Amino acid sequence: EAGVAQSPRYKIIEKRQSVAFWCNPISGHATLYWYQQILGQGPKLLIQFQNNGVVDDSQLPKDRFSAERLKGVDSTLKIQPAKLEDSAVYLCASSLGVGDKGEQYFGPGTRLTVT
Amino acid sequence: GENVEQHPSTLSVQEGDSAVIKCTYSDSASNYFPWYKQELGKGPQLIIDIRSNVGEKKDQRIAVTLNKTAKHFSLHITETQPEDSAVYFCAAPPRNYGQNFVFGPGTRLSVLP
Repeated sequence: EAGVAQSPRYKIIEKRQSVAFWCNPISGHATLYWYQQILGQGPKLLIQFQNNGVVDDSQLPKDRFSAERLKGVDSTLKIQPAKLEDSAVYLCASSLGVGDKGEQYFGPGTRLTVT
Repeated sequence: GENVEQHPSTLSVQEGDSAVIKCTYSDSASNYFPWYKQELGKGPQLIIDIRSNVGEKKDQRIAVTLNKTAKHFSLHITETQPEDSAVYFCAAPPRNYGQNFVFGPGTRLSVLP
């Protein structure tokens, strides 16, 4: 079974620039998550999709972050404009179910450096 | 929001010794308590989980114990090996149904040969 795919693996941009990350979840997984993991911390949920609908985006900085999951499969996360504090690893995860009804499978992440 | 703590934040053990990491949480509406392992350059991977209808679950060298009354659960690794070196995260169940799990700050385990 193929795992969660993410690209790019690394990205370096200057502050105020834009950046986009892509995620392809495990086939058949209805739930998709985007997490931000700052160095030395645990992953923090940014947004959760159930199929192509948003379930939870309460911690997404909506003035600069946006995400979509068209057709309920692949997803993209965008930051525009980036700030220095956005430097982090952005993890995508997917699961069959929600919460305690589905183990989350994580991708390798995209390491973003904002200079 | 949910307050999740892990202790210790770093742990060094000799190969073959045991390691114990504790996770405490402030509230829960869920019966599911997972532990994840994150190796360098990779995403977290579920290694063991437990549901609150049991107090302990074991899978080879790894075990998890749960004390729902005291609101903590612990990861136990016996006969540690160098490949156990990683960062371990607990994910605390949500306070209310429909909310998402909150990850702890992580514990860096180093197994010294």
